[in-house]
Amino acid sequence: EAQVTQNPRYLITVTGKKLTVTCSQNMNHEYMSWYRQDPGLGLRQIYYSMNVEVTDKGDVPEGYKVSRKEKRNFPLILESPSPNQTSLYFCASSFGSSLDEQYFGPGTRLTVT
Amino acid sequence: SQQGEEDPQALSIQEGENATMNCSYKTSINNLQWYRQNSGRGLVHLILIRSNEREKHSGRLRVTLDTSKKSSSLLITASRAADTASYFCATDAGTGGFKTIFGAGTRLFVKA
Repeated sequence: EAQVTQNPRYLITVTGKKLTVTCSQNMNHEYMSWYRQDPGLGLRQIYYSMNVEVTDKGDVPEGYKVSRKEKRNFPLILESPSPNQTSLYFCASSFGSSLDEQYFGPGTRLTVT
Repeated sequence: SQQGEEDPQALSIQEGENATMNCSYKTSINNLQWYRQNSGRGLVHLILIRSNEREKHSGRLRVTLDTSKKSSSLLITASRAADTASYFCATDAGTGGFKTIFGAGTRLFVKA
């Protein structure tokens, strides 16, 4: 089954404790992206990747890191999480670019206390 | 930065009625896409309209695009309770397929 998976689905952590949210797709997609969703703000793009080893900032990259060492994986790293990073996070992938239909993961609800 | 902005923010209708949501954007675009989100879940792609198209249909969905007004509308005909969800428009904000900009969304509630 074609899908985007994220782990963990729920995470409660404390300020400053490094964490990684994994994202994997099995569709051989080139484009992958991370978004955060906050009430009333829709989805905002954090980082995107056009292909392996090619990543770039979205609209809200501060406090986040990403890597794309393999085509299927695109982990999101929070080196020192802060309470303002409490949010619902989505990973998505598409065939070639943001011009194509994006397939979304189920989301990761992160709470930073 | 917010590119797409939907209105209304929320819409409540009776089953069987039509629902219209609007999206405005600020820069040139290559295409505009509409997505649906059931409460707290991942978004699902509904329909894509290219910048050189004016109207597109898919089942009960009709999308229009007016590039001169930088706006799009999504019409859902004969709404069902199962259409209750949030609807978002998304564009690449003219970046050539690099970035994705979503609007804040319209919450649709269809009463049975």
